[in-house]
Order: sequence, then structure tokens, then C-alpha cells
Amino acid sequence: GEDVEQSLFLSVREGDSSVINCTYTDSSSTYLYWYKQEPGAGLQLLTYIFSNMDMKQDQRLTVLLNKKDKHLSLRIADTQTGDSAIYFCAESIHTGGFKTIFGAGTRLFVKA
Amino acid sequence: GAGVSQSPSNKVTEKGKDVELRCDPISGHTALYWYRQSLGQGLEFLIYFQGNSAPDKSGLPSDRFSAERTGGSVSTLTIQRTQQEDSAVYLCASSPRGTSGPNEQFFGPGTRLTVL
Repeated sequence: GEDVEQSLFLSVREGDSSVINCTYTDSSSTYLYWYKQEPGAGLQLLTYIFSNMDMKQDQRLTVLLNKKDKHLSLRIADTQTGDSAIYFCAESIHTGGFKTIFGAGTRLFVKA
Repeated sequence: GAGVSQSPSNKVTEKGKDVELRCDPISGHTALYWYRQSLGQGLEFLIYFQGNSAPDKSGLPSDRFSAERTGGSVSTLTIQRTQQEDSAVYLCASSPRGTSGPNEQFFGPGTRLTVL
């Protein structure tokens, strides 16, 4: 079945790098996404990667995809207190349209 | 520009009552999604509308849950005979994409439902 798993918590010090990991099960995923949810707000797309790529860099964000192991990671360089939020990994599955499966979210705590 | 809006922002109801949650997607977006976010849980997919196609209802947890999308725009999620386990934040999202390309979803702020 379709499933996306990620660890629930991560704590880092300001200025360090954060790495949030995710595994997924559906090998037919076309795109994989990272969304950010700040307290009291809806989710916002941070970045995405097409399934035939293995890396994508966008300013402080680096996404790595290991399609063989069905493993996705998000690295945030020079983590700031404003990066504290819940980060959701998600995969799109073609079912004639797009069904998106989200993980449980990783809560990132950034200590000053 | 207007984003996705949801109403009400908070809803407290008694067990056994019916509730309706509303979502106004971004104008022109062809796809609309409903999710449920429970405390400590991820986003649980409920239902997906894409244009004029039949909705994907595979995530609805029971027949007490239903949703419709009128005129390809506003959507209403209805929960009949609410139970305490229905308490959660219900999130709506819309997407401009059809059936190809990355599927960026734009989320509303959610409706927090509390069933007493």
C-alpha cells in the first residue's frame, strides 16, 4: 500500500545543518515534496523533486532522493530559529489524476 | 490575491450532530483536496476532486463522511452523526495542475472541529 514515514522530532542548534529523512513505499511516485507548516497555519510547499532526479538544491535547501531505497531527505543549511516548524514529506501517485500521500511530519526545534 | 479559505475556523459540536465544513479554493484551480490532521498524526487523505471527473473518495473513513464540489469551485465536507474521534483539524487544499507536472497544493488554514 501507499505509505510515507518520517521521524517525529528533530532538535538542532542555530547555525547547524538539519537533515530530515523520509521513506516511501510506492515506486510509481512521480514527484516527491517537502511542505512546511508553521504554528497555526496551513502547509506551504517548500520544494519538490522529480523522481528521475537524485538531487535538487534551492538556496539553503538540498533535497536528496535515493530511488532504489525509496529514501528522501531534506537538508537545511545554517538552520535559523525561523525554520522551527513541522516538515512534511509527500509523494504524488498517478491515479488518473494526482493523489498525494503525506507523512506524519517531523517537528523541527531550533535552539538559539 | 486570495488564497484558499475555509469556514468556520473553529467548530464545536455535540456528539451525534451533523456538521458542514466549507472550502473556497483559489479561483481557476482544477483540483481540490480534503485532509484530516489529528493531534500527533500526519495528514490523512480524505477525498480528491479533479475537474469534472468522479472524485477519489478512497480516504473517507466511513459513510458518515461525504463531500461535494459545486460548479467546480466551492466544496463542502459533511460529517453526519459526529463522534468524538472525528475531532481534528480539517484541511482543504487546491491545485492548479491537471494530470501532469508537479502538483503544488495550496492549503487553507483549516477548520478545527471539536466533538464533545
